[in-house]
Amino acid sequence: AQTVTQSQPEMSVQEAETVTLSCTYDTSENNYYLFWYKQPPSRQMILVIRQEAYKQQNATENRFSVNFQKAAKSFSLKISDSQLGDTAMYFCAFGADSNYQLIWGAGTKLIIKP
Amino acid sequence: GAVVSQHPSWVICKSGTSVKIECRSLDFQATTMFWYRQFPKQSLMLMATSNEGSKATYEQGVEKDKFLINHASLTLSTLTVTSAHPEDSSFYICSASPGGGGQLTDTQYFGPGTRLTVL
Repeated sequence: AQTVTQSQPEMSVQEAETVTLSCTYDTSENNYYLFWYKQPPSRQMILVIRQEAYKQQNATENRFSVNFQKAAKSFSLKISDSQLGDTAMYFCAFGADSNYQLIWGAGTKLIIKP
Repeated sequence: GAVVSQHPSWVICKSGTSVKIECRSLDFQATTMFWYRQFPKQSLMLMATSNEGSKATYEQGVEKDKFLINHASLTLSTLTVTSAHPEDSSFYICSASPGGGGQLTDTQYFGPGTRLTVL
């Protein structure tokens, strides 16, 4: 069975700093997908970034980038030049089943301080 | 693109009544939709997976007769909480996947959620 672990329950950084959220997973699948979702206080889940396991290149979306280490089963999210609006819960998720179910981490609460 | 709406955003009902929550994909056809429940400060708990035109697949421990799911079209899924009780009070979130084998087939796009309070 697949598992997703986020070992940091809460983090806080100053505005404009860079922060890295960690995520590890366990699977025996070869083809899978990894996601980072953001849930701000409004509770709307927002897709931040997506990575296909078969791609060696790390995904990037503006200030958001991932460090995908397939052998180590690690998928960390780096937020550069953090902004107050980045304050949210961040969830790491794993998907591989044909019915597209996701396995979710417990989440990391990120607080950006002014 | 990939917008999912959910209605209502919040609802208060009396114990014993039924509540229907709608989930719509606004700009894409959703082969698969998912219903989640989220308790405060916790991650998402998958309740069921529904595919258009077929019966939903419920996760272990989820009562299918209590949480009725209908995925009648490629843009609409509904969750009906029947004979609601205070312990059903929670935040319910739906998501939808485009399917079809495209690049984003597996990506889930989420509705804004529904806060249910049962008195």
